[in-house]
Parts: sequence; C-alpha cells; structure tokens
Amino acid sequence: EVQLLESGGGLVQPGGSLRLSCAASGFSFGGYAMTWVRQAPGKGLEWVSSVGSGGDTYYTDSVKGRFTISRDNSKNTLYLQMNSLRVEDTAVYHCAKGGIGEGGLYNWGQGTLVTVSS
Amino acid sequence: QSVLTQPPSVSAAPGQKVSISCSGSSSNIGSRSVSWYHQLPGTAPKLLIYDNNKRPSGIPDRFSGSKSGTSATLGITGLQTGDEADYYCGTWDDSLNAGVFGGGTKLTVL
Repeated sequence: EVQLLESGGGLVQPGGSLRLSCAASGFSFGGYAMTWVRQAPGKGLEWVSSVGSGGDTYYTDSVKGRFTISRDNSKNTLYLQMNSLRVEDTAVYHCAKGGIGEGGLYNWGQGTLVTVSS
Repeated sequence: QSVLTQPPSVSAAPGQKVSISCSGSSSNIGSRSVSWYHQLPGTAPKLLIYDNNKRPSGIPDRFSGSKSGTSATLGITGLQTGDEADYYCGTWDDSLNAGVFGGGTKLTVL
C-alpha cells in the first residue's frame, strides 16, 4: 500500500523558513516523479512544484527563487525547502506521487499545515 | 484566475448524470493529458481519471473522462449523495512549464 506522510509544517513569521518532508513507502520511490500541491484555507488546489525521477525540477512562478524541491531516494523522502515565506503561502501542503501530466497525481498524503503570520 | 476554467458549481438529483467541463488552451489541455480529482470535505484529494479517460483501480465506471481540443469533461452517472465533493481538473502547461489546476467545481446532489 502506498503511503505518503508529510511533516514539518507549523507557524512561522513572514520572511521565515520551513522545510517540509514527505516520507514515502509502498512503492519504488526513485522511479517516480513527485509533486507538492497546496491548498489555502477555503481555496482550491494549487500546483507548487515537482521533481522528476531524474532530478529535474519545476516550480510555479510565485515560489521560484524561494522554494526548493529535492528528493533523497536512499531515504524514500521528498522535501520542500521554503524560504522568504509570505502570508499568502499559508496553506495545507500535500505531497503526491507522480506528475500532474501523464499518469496523474496517483496517490496523495494528508498534508501538513503551514501558517505564515506575525 | 485559474489557467483552466471550470464552472464553480453543478447540481443534479440522485441517480441522474452530470458533466463538469474544464476549458484550457493549446499549451495545456490541447497538448497534454488531463487528470481529474475529487476532494471530500476535510480529506485529501483523490485521483479519479488520468490520461484523459483512464480510471485508477477502485474507481467505479460511473466516472468517465473525455477530451476534445482544448477542453475536457468529467462525467458522473448514477449520482449518489456520497459524490458530493469538490472536483478539479489538472494538466501540464508547456508555456508556463508548470502544472496547473482548474478552480474547482462543487457538486451538489440534491
């Protein structure tokens, strides 16, 4: 059974940093693209970033230069380093197995809440 | 403003059929595979359709997907009260070089 467990969320002041982790199990982690999707309170889904099985990375414009996605295939873990956080980054962050294009986001974690507030 | 356009809400009676549209452009739906997700209140999203019209194992055949040009459609037949949820389309956008979602459609089963 595929399991994705996010951690690392919390309350942070504007301008601060957080690192999210997503521990994966139940599949061959290194063979799949992985994606971060966020959902602000009461809002829709927003694609944030993805990393391919080969390590290629992609970001939505609003986080470019501030967020860094990475993966450690030896630990079956996906990361999202978030710097220079803004109030508008407040959201539940989900990790998902796959890419939003071909194949879809096949499995999702329950998410971790990031609150950016002074 | 989302890159992909969905109606904010749709409604139908139990047992009836509903369609949810997702409109995009040549740089996204027109050239890429579309996936559909539903999200029950307080839960994580779940994949319903991938590669335009394929269903993951465990998704009943009441759910179907299609794509024509720069638009995609999710169809749901035999509506059940348990289908009440938010539905999202998603795909890759070659111009943005990023993933995109529609704004979401709230389905109400009256």
